[in-house]
Amino acid sequence: ETGVTQSPTHLIKTRGQQVTLRCSSQSGHNTVSWYQQALGQGPQFIFQYYREEENGRGNFPPRFSGLQFPNYSSELNVNALELDDSALYLCASRTAGSGTEAFFGQGTRLTVV
Amino acid sequence: AQSVTQLDSQVPVFEEAPVELRCNYSSSVSVYLFWYVQYPNQGLQLLLKYLSGSTLVKGINGFEAEFNKSQTSFHLRKPSVHISDTAEYFCAVQKGGATNKLIFGTGTLLAVQP
Repeated sequence: ETGVTQSPTHLIKTRGQQVTLRCSSQSGHNTVSWYQQALGQGPQFIFQYYREEENGRGNFPPRFSGLQFPNYSSELNVNALELDDSALYLCASRTAGSGTEAFFGQGTRLTVV
Repeated sequence: AQSVTQLDSQVPVFEEAPVELRCNYSSSVSVYLFWYVQYPNQGLQLLLKYLSGSTLVKGINGFEAEFNKSQTSFHLRKPSVHISDTAEYFCAVQKGGATNKLIFGTGTLLAVQP
């Protein structure tokens, strides 16, 4: 059973550019969530996808968008990058339902210069 | 709205000593409670969770936590720590519903010294 994998592991972008981060969910999981973890902070919920539809969103602007594919893998897209977007981006997958365990990937470290 | 407070940003402790990491939450509805551990340059790993039932929850690596509804706390404990327990620990709450998003505290760095 493969776990949650994210790519790339590290990324450096220039302010104003666009970036796409990728996540392969764990086998059998149909729900994927994305979190942003700034340095020294806890993860903050960005949004969640369930069966290819966004079904929850945190307090992030529309330039943060995403997709979920039929195989339940997912992408996070960020447009017009700002310096404050520098963070560790974590993907988590789980089965639907309350209290189910979320399995996290190792994250993508994004640096915006 | 739900929120989580981890009262200590850093907890230094000697190897083989006991440790308690504190977590308090705020919520007007029933929530589920979690503790996650994050090792350097890694994602998050679930240590334990409280959904319902017994208020004492046992997790992996010898950790346990006690849910106290009256004090809205979910403190994490280990009777004897090892150097390998050095990591960042996050407490999180989850409200039931369609989204089931996790709301995390700011984390506590457990620094185990020899």
